[in-house]
Order: sequence, then structure tokens, then C-alpha cells
Amino acid sequence: GQNIDQPTEMTATEGAIVQINCTYQTSGFNGLFWYQQHAGEAPTFLSYNVLDGLEEKGRFSSFLSRSKGYSYLLLKELQMKDSASYLCAVMDSNYQLIWGAGTKLIIKP
Amino acid sequence: DAEITQSPRHKITETGRQVTLACHQTWNHNNMFWYRQDLGHGLRLIHYSYGVQDTNKGEVSDGYSVSRSNTEDLPLTLESAASSQTSVYFCASSMASEPYNEQFFGPGTRLTVL
Repeated sequence: GQNIDQPTEMTATEGAIVQINCTYQTSGFNGLFWYQQHAGEAPTFLSYNVLDGLEEKGRFSSFLSRSKGYSYLLLKELQMKDSASYLCAVMDSNYQLIWGAGTKLIIKP
Repeated sequence: DAEITQSPRHKITETGRQVTLACHQTWNHNNMFWYRQDLGHGLRLIHYSYGVQDTNKGEVSDGYSVSRSNTEDLPLTLESAASSQTSVYFCASSMASEPYNEQFFGPGTRLTVL
């Protein structure tokens, strides 16, 4: 079966760095997405990785290792507005997105 | 500005009733998707469409149907609502040229089936 695993909840301090991990087992791989979802709102796109390595975009970076079925999202200089759920999704061989349950990130002052 | 809208935003209905959730996008995207989101689960794909007159079943399509008569709209119908269909429903769209383009999501519809 297809499976995406990520921690249910994480807590971090304002101004710090946090890494949210995602491991996956899917039938085929056409890229990995990270989305941010604030409570009661729609998911919004953060990043896309299809090749191994690190993609940096401002305070957010995303890493992929296809051989390990592993990705992480790195958030630097945390701000209170970063409190949200972070969703990992893999595009499988049929170009369908398989979604993890999301990681709720709580930022404390 | 281009956008994707859903209506209604909240709906309470009774078991057995037919319910239709609307999704309208002005991105001119060919790809449209319907997901449901429940606590403890990731987004689960209900139905999707890659263009006018094209519809396909997703992972959790039982009890749901869609139709695509134009580029802008993909309404989702619950034929006979069940309590298990209480959920938050998201519509999304993406460009056709590259399937792995980001999906843009509507604001969601919270459906309660009593």
C-alpha cells in the first residue's frame, strides 16, 4: 500500500529552527510537495522536490532523498504566524497526490 | 485576480438527502480535484477531472459523483448523504501542461450530515 508518515505535532520557540520529517512508500514517484495549512483555511503550496538535494526558498527549505524515501521541511527564524499544519504529499506513478496526515506546528513565544 | 471558490461554506443536512457542493475556478485550469479532509487522515481524493467531459474516480469515490460540463466548474454530488460523509471538502485545480504543478485550493466546505 501507499503510505506517508510525518509526526502528528511539534512544538518550537519563536526565532528558532525546526525540521519536519516525512517518510514515504508509494507506487512510483513524480515529486514531493509541502503545503502549509492554517487552521480553518485551505492548504497553500510551499515547495516541490523531484531531484535529491536541498531547495531553499527564503526562511523555508525542503530536502529530498529518493533512495531513502525521505524528505524534510526546514523552517528558520520561526515566527508566530508559522503556527500551522504542514502537509507532505507525494505524486505517484499515476500523477495522483498521496497526502500525509500533516504535522501541527505550535510556536511558543 | 484569478481564484477558486466553493459554496456553500457550511452545510448541515440529513441522512439520505442529496447534496451538491459547488466549485468554481477562474484560473482557466483544465485539472480539477475534490478532496475530503478528516482528523487523523491526510487529504483523500474523491474525484478528479482533466478537462471538459472527463471525470475519474479517486480513492474514496463511493457515494459521490461529479460532472464537468465546462472548464470553470466541477460540482460534487452526494447522492444519498450518510453520517460517514461528515467532513471538510476541498476543491483544487492545477494547470494541465504539467501534472505535477502545484494545486490551488478553494476555501473548503464544512458538511455535517445528521
